[in-house]
Amino acid sequence: GIQVEQSPPDLILQEGANSTLRCNFSDSVNNLQWFHQNPWGQLINLFYIPSGTKQNGRLSATTVATERYSLLYISSSQTTDSGVYFCAVGSRGNYQLIWGAGTKLIIKP
Amino acid sequence: DGGITQSPKYLFRKEGQNVTLSCEQNLNHDAMYWYRQDPGQGLRLIYYSQIVNDFQKGDIAEGYSVSREKKESFPLTVTSAQKNPTAFYLCASSIGPGGVGSPLHFGNGTRLTVT
Repeated sequence: GIQVEQSPPDLILQEGANSTLRCNFSDSVNNLQWFHQNPWGQLINLFYIPSGTKQNGRLSATTVATERYSLLYISSSQTTDSGVYFCAVGSRGNYQLIWGAGTKLIIKP
Repeated sequence: DGGITQSPKYLFRKEGQNVTLSCEQNLNHDAMYWYRQDPGQGLRLIYYSQIVNDFQKGDIAEGYSVSREKKESFPLTVTSAQKNPTAFYLCASSIGPGGVGSPLHFGNGTRLTVT
């Protein structure tokens, strides 16, 4: 099955810094989503992005499907950005999403 | 506002008891899912349902059961056969199967503690 690797596993930054989170996957996908889990456990869908680039405020994501990776950019980080960022992918004909292990982000004030 | 409601937020049970976790959505989504998350870990799929009266096992279905009698509801029963039931349980839904073509939305979760 598809393998999903996220890097870095942990990231500690000062408020105001920019960051780039990476998601590598081992096979072709037709579904890729980024999620943020806050410290209270709530999971929010950030992007549905099987290919191309999307932006939402300070967050943007790019998926290069032919090279099997996706990047999540966070600019001008705020303490509320802290939490775990997950990447999940799905392939054609498979209804299950495969989840990465996540990147734990800590933004210090 | 549309969304997914999980109840209760915290649940405590004695070992050997079955317990049912509620999940209701008013997003008119066809597909619903149950995930389990252990501390510091990622999500693991327990069961999923693409349409009413149909559901499939995920990676860790042993010791769990589900039903999908209504489009809006997908309750999860944690049975006494589940060897290590203490965990954070998340319910999700999507318009289509597997979230293909549409994002996956989550409820706020239920933290189950079994002693």
